[in-house]
Amino acid sequence: KAGVTQTPRYLIKTRGQQVTLSCSPISGHRSVSWYQQTPGQGLQFLFEYFSETQRNKGNFPGRFSGRQFSNSRSEMNVSTLELGDSALYLCASSLGGESSPLHFGNGTRLTVT
Amino acid sequence: AQSVTQLDSQVPVFEEAPVELRCNYSSSVSVYLFWYVQYPNQGLQLLLKYLSGSTLVKGINGFEAEFNKSQTSFHLRKPSVHISDTAEYFCALNQAGTALIFGKGTTLSVSS
Repeated sequence: KAGVTQTPRYLIKTRGQQVTLSCSPISGHRSVSWYQQTPGQGLQFLFEYFSETQRNKGNFPGRFSGRQFSNSRSEMNVSTLELGDSALYLCASSLGGESSPLHFGNGTRLTVT
Repeated sequence: AQSVTQLDSQVPVFEEAPVELRCNYSSSVSVYLFWYVQYPNQGLQLLLKYLSGSTLVKGINGFEAEFNKSQTSFHLRKPSVHISDTAEYFCALNQAGTALIFGKGTTLSVSS
């Protein structure tokens, strides 16, 4: 089975721009979660989608948004980029229950200059 | 609110020595506990999970962890580490109705 695929792997953007990151989950997984990883804050939960509906949301500003498509693929968007948005963005998929482990992609490294 | 605390940010050990990475959690309800490993420039990989039943769980790469409800701990152990075990290790907790939350991570450095 193919793993979780995130594209692109690396991205460099300028302050004020917007960016869209993409995630293809493992086949059969209906839940997709997004995390931001930084050296200072560690792994912080952004949001989770299940069957195209946002099921959980972390404590991030409205500039961070996401969506999930009918084939379970997901995108997250960050508008009006700030320097502090530089991070590794990780997508994870699962079957959807609390006992189901998350399977992570290799992440998208976003650098904002 | 639930939380996960990894008690050591860095653990240096010599090759073939035993290691324990400590994790405490806080929650008022039943939890599911996980350990993940992250190698440089990669995502997280599941090492093991505790869902219910036996409190000693075995994972990949020779790692095991013990769930202790009275001490609210889920420490990760390996009897003999290899250079290739050098990585960052994350303890994580999930419960009904919430998202998986992670500890701050422990960097395990194995030297010869």
